[in-house]
Amino acid sequence: QKEVEQNSGPLSVPEGAIASLNCTYSDRGSQSFFWYRQYSGKSPELIMSIYSNGDKEDGRFTAQLNKASQYVSLLIRDSQPSDSATYLCAVRPSGAGSYQLTFGKGTKLSVIP
Amino acid sequence: EAGVAQSPRYKIIEKRQSVAFWCNPISGHATLYWYQQILGQGPKLLIQFQNNGVVDDSQLPKDRFSAERLKGVDSTLKIQPAKLEDSAVYLCASSLAGSIQGQANYGYTFGSGTRLTVV
Repeated sequence: QKEVEQNSGPLSVPEGAIASLNCTYSDRGSQSFFWYRQYSGKSPELIMSIYSNGDKEDGRFTAQLNKASQYVSLLIRDSQPSDSATYLCAVRPSGAGSYQLTFGKGTKLSVIP
Repeated sequence: EAGVAQSPRYKIIEKRQSVAFWCNPISGHATLYWYQQILGQGPKLLIQFQNNGVVDDSQLPKDRFSAERLKGVDSTLKIQPAKLEDSAVYLCASSLAGSIQGQANYGYTFGSGTRLTVV
């Protein structure tokens, strides 16, 4: 069973702080990694993707990947109350022609004004 | 481009009744997925279609769930008979992923989902 693990939280950070969200995965051959944001009662929305070891920055978001440690993280700088949501880590496992994503349970983030 | 369309948005049924959900993917997207998201959990894949063929239905409870994608476009997911534990949001997603090299790096877009409550 290929698993994706996340701390369910809730993670509370003050407005303007850096929020750090973490994810580990079990399938060492996993190819690509995604972060989705899900507001309460809404469907998941893709915010970041990363495929190579290292950091990838997009505005206030930075995704970090360490394949040796099977670890993915998402940093949100200058956190805003509008960032309050559940963040889902998703992993595309190994396997020819497999485009499925396996999701973690999500980490609930609360940004306190 | 238009997003993934799903209907209905909400459905309440009694246990042992049947229900059907509909999904229209983004135009041109070969691959379509149905996910089940139970409250407090991440989405779980139920079935993946490539055009009108099933790629993976290993997690679909086939004794009560069925899905089809006629003509490789729209898809329907059916539950018959429904159980209390089927209460969840049913999400449809689509992607370009297919035989095109490099598509593995694409995430995909979800529809707005159907919230099913079984009472």
